[in-house]
Amino acid sequence: QAVVTQEPSLTVSPGGTVTLTCGSSTGAVTSGHYPYWFQQKPGQAPRTLIYDTSKKHSWTPARFSGSLLGGKAALTLSGAQPEDEADYYCLLLYSGGRWVFGGGTKLTVL
Amino acid sequence: EVQLVESGGGLVQPGGSLRLSCAASGFTFSTYWMDWVRQAPGKGLVWVSRINSDGSYISYADSVKGRFTISRDNDRNTLYLQMNSLRADDTAVYYCARVYDGGYWGQGTLVTVSS
Repeated sequence: QAVVTQEPSLTVSPGGTVTLTCGSSTGAVTSGHYPYWFQQKPGQAPRTLIYDTSKKHSWTPARFSGSLLGGKAALTLSGAQPEDEADYYCLLLYSGGRWVFGGGTKLTVL
Repeated sequence: EVQLVESGGGLVQPGGSLRLSCAASGFTFSTYWMDWVRQAPGKGLVWVSRINSDGSYISYADSVKGRFTISRDNDRNTLYLQMNSLRADDTAVYYCARVYDGGYWGQGTLVTVSS
């Protein structure tokens, strides 16, 4: 089974920029993996920020953006706010209709 | 507005069974693939199973294959997860999700497997 890798933890300063990445053990991540990014705060259900690599919901703050970067999916946060402190998970689709989550990145805004 | 509301969680003994339900509204349920995702306490998200729009295609994570059964009733706009032979490591919050086309989540229902 494929393994999806994320940075376990990252720290960003308020107002700063940080990029979270999502890699696949099977090779380069492509748009065919339909990368998703979810934000989860303690005690809450996940919330989708980005889907299909770079599409945003109406509730996705403009400071978040999704892309493919160096063979990985990437979530970039530009102008971090204290309320962005959360766990972030990526999700990739593999053959056979199976989704695989990354292990999550704990983002600290400090 | 897309809404997904899970129910059916609770405390069950090892080896027992439980059926989760997910009531969907705000979209044409019968046209979407649906998923179950779980999260053990303090751990990450894990995809469990998915079903296509008419129930003719189903996929499971290896950890639940042969024990869990996903199904749906498009007339009732409801998704189900029948969980048998439950083990302690099945303890988790179970989320119903419409991952495809935007990613929408329910609030989750807690399943605790313990004697």
